[in-house]
Amino acid sequence: EDQVTQSPEALRLQEGESSSLNCSYTVSGLRGLFWYRQDPGKGPEFLFTLYSAGEEKEKERLKATLTKKESFLHITAPKPEDSATYLCAVQAGRGNFNKFYFGSGTKLNVKP
Amino acid sequence: SQTIHQWPATLVQPVGSPLSLECTVEGTSNPNLYWYRQAAGRGLQLLFYSVGIGQISSEVPQNLSASRPQDRQFILSSKKLLLSDSGFYLCAWSGETNTEAFFGQGTRLTVV
Repeated sequence: EDQVTQSPEALRLQEGESSSLNCSYTVSGLRGLFWYRQDPGKGPEFLFTLYSAGEEKEKERLKATLTKKESFLHITAPKPEDSATYLCAVQAGRGNFNKFYFGSGTKLNVKP
Repeated sequence: SQTIHQWPATLVQPVGSPLSLECTVEGTSNPNLYWYRQAAGRGLQLLFYSVGIGQISSEVPQNLSASRPQDRQFILSSKKLLLSDSGFYLCAWSGETNTEAFFGQGTRLTVV
């Protein structure tokens, strides 16, 4: 069964304290892995797409990496405004339509 | 550029009343469209997806239905709401090549 698991569920950091969020997946026919940021009461905001093992993408203080079984979202020197829930999703091949499967997210709280 | 509109932002409805949530996409043609529901602290559950006008696939049996009367319009409906229908509903679109999905701002539905 296709599955996406994110850890930790919640993470508290001090401003400037770097850390990583994990997304592990078991899907057949991976087409892509996606990271989103979600603020309370809002829809998820797209951050990155990763397609193959070894690929990396960066945006400001965020860097996403991908292996054959998991992805990491590295946060370098986070600021309070980075506080949000970060969602991971995978897209798996099913015939001519590829569905997105989401993890439960990691709630990040960065304290000043 | 593409934009997605979803309304209303919040909705309080009595048990047994009907429901209609609307989503429209601008700036693209023939998008794949999705309805998700997000329970508090949980991941996104795919409810319906559509690859074209009148083509609806349901992921889970439930009290809801979806329709796509126009290329860029997706509607989520119910004839009689249940308490368990309460939640945060999100509409999303992706391109024909099935790359990343982009989300609307969501509708917070409370059934009382």
